[in-house]
Amino acid sequence: DGGITQSPKYLFRKEGQNVTLSCEQNLNHDAMYWYRQDPGQGLRLIYYSQIVNDFQKGDIAEGYSVSREKKESFPLTVTSAQKNPTAFYLCASRLGQGVLPQHFGDGTRLSIL
Amino acid sequence: GENVEQHPSTLSVQEGDSAVIKCTYSDSASNYFPWYKQELGKRPQLIIDIRSNVGEKKDQRIAVTLNKTAKHFSLHITETQPEDSAVYFCAALTSGTYKYIFGTGTRLKVLA
Repeated sequence: DGGITQSPKYLFRKEGQNVTLSCEQNLNHDAMYWYRQDPGQGLRLIYYSQIVNDFQKGDIAEGYSVSREKKESFPLTVTSAQKNPTAFYLCASRLGQGVLPQHFGDGTRLSIL
Repeated sequence: GENVEQHPSTLSVQEGDSAVIKCTYSDSASNYFPWYKQELGKRPQLIIDIRSNVGEKKDQRIAVTLNKTAKHFSLHITETQPEDSAVYFCAALTSGTYKYIFGTGTRLKVLA
């Protein structure tokens, strides 16, 4: 799905540092999501946003923050409060309401230095 | 809370054989069930989906079946090929919500 761009592809975080993962979509999708994926595990929802200037916590929101100032952008900040941030982070989006699929970006792999 | 159980966690089949992956969901209000294929280090890609008003859907070698009474849905891959090797995830979406519940994934290995 070339319409969802995540950057960077790889990111390293130092102790006590906040880092921000970018997610941009040009699909005109209303809803956007952030998931965390650990090795051998499924996708766990961090945050999601249905419309601009609104977002909801998912199942593992602690240590993370988001913003949705523009429809096409949904950045995720991994704060220093997240003690185990090493994981593969996936952004997804969906058009509107109803029974529709999500489409995913290529992911960002975050590691601790 | 809502939950989707997926089995098996790993599955090895010989090339040309069929593979079946099963998921069970807990929320009876779930009405949409997508399946994703994820190759190592890449994004999950939608391969097939089914809505609750349909019992079966097929797309070439891939099919999905849904049993609403039992709250089960399954992915069937026939004539498997080495390029089918990947991790497959099922998911369930509840009507009127934006939240997808994912299974824990099945690693499929197709042996040549």
